[in-house]
Amino acid sequence: GAGVSQSPRYKVAKRGQDVALRCDPISGHVSPFWYQQALGQGPEFLTYFQNEAQLDKSGLPSDRFFAERPEGSVSTLKIQRTQQEDSAVYLCASRKPGQGFTTDTQYFGPGTRLTVL
Amino acid sequence: QKEVEQNSGPLSVPEGAIASLNCTYSDRGSQSFFWYRQYSGKSPELIMSIYSNGDKEDGRFTAQLNKASQYVSLLIRDSQPSDSATYLCAVGRNQAGTALIFGKGTTLSVSS
Repeated sequence: GAGVSQSPRYKVAKRGQDVALRCDPISGHVSPFWYQQALGQGPEFLTYFQNEAQLDKSGLPSDRFFAERPEGSVSTLKIQRTQQEDSAVYLCASRKPGQGFTTDTQYFGPGTRLTVL
Repeated sequence: QKEVEQNSGPLSVPEGAIASLNCTYSDRGSQSFFWYRQYSGKSPELIMSIYSNGDKEDGRFTAQLNKASQYVSLLIRDSQPSDSATYLCAVGRNQAGTALIFGKGTTLSVSS
């Protein structure tokens, strides 16, 4: 596709429910990144992959959050037993492959707005 | 101390004026710097990237970087009402290919 795609665009969950958010990065890009953006804040890093490997998950706020990329393309962020504080926009971004800081540029998808009631 | 600091604003400028947005960062090893624009309810959109000290111009936008002062800015010339948005400063970590650290964003309002 032309850009990063995410689904669903909106998700309403009852507290305690499990949710799965999907990201399909730009074709040819190797690194889907996940960010959480609370209202009025900048995006905050959660985790990222390079190919199938999850290289950094230091931003995941609790063990209820985990991410997968089993087939090296689509990535899924899963949140178990959702809490109200999980309500946020979850953004996926991807970057071009290559070396050096000029490949740090990340392109964002439209996001998934999660509301936990 | 937050790693990337921005004044949250709002910054209000009249149409046609120059808007100046500022950002400071704490990690001296940072090598890549970005400005993203985010309209309400939308995702961040890349405007500019800068890697070397000095100025980088792209149309009405100029990014300025001063690594010694750990300071990066964005100037928007001939501001238009359509420029009204939140501008996010993002800084790459000192290892290439890893996460970006974002500021909270500065809200810009351009009045016609």
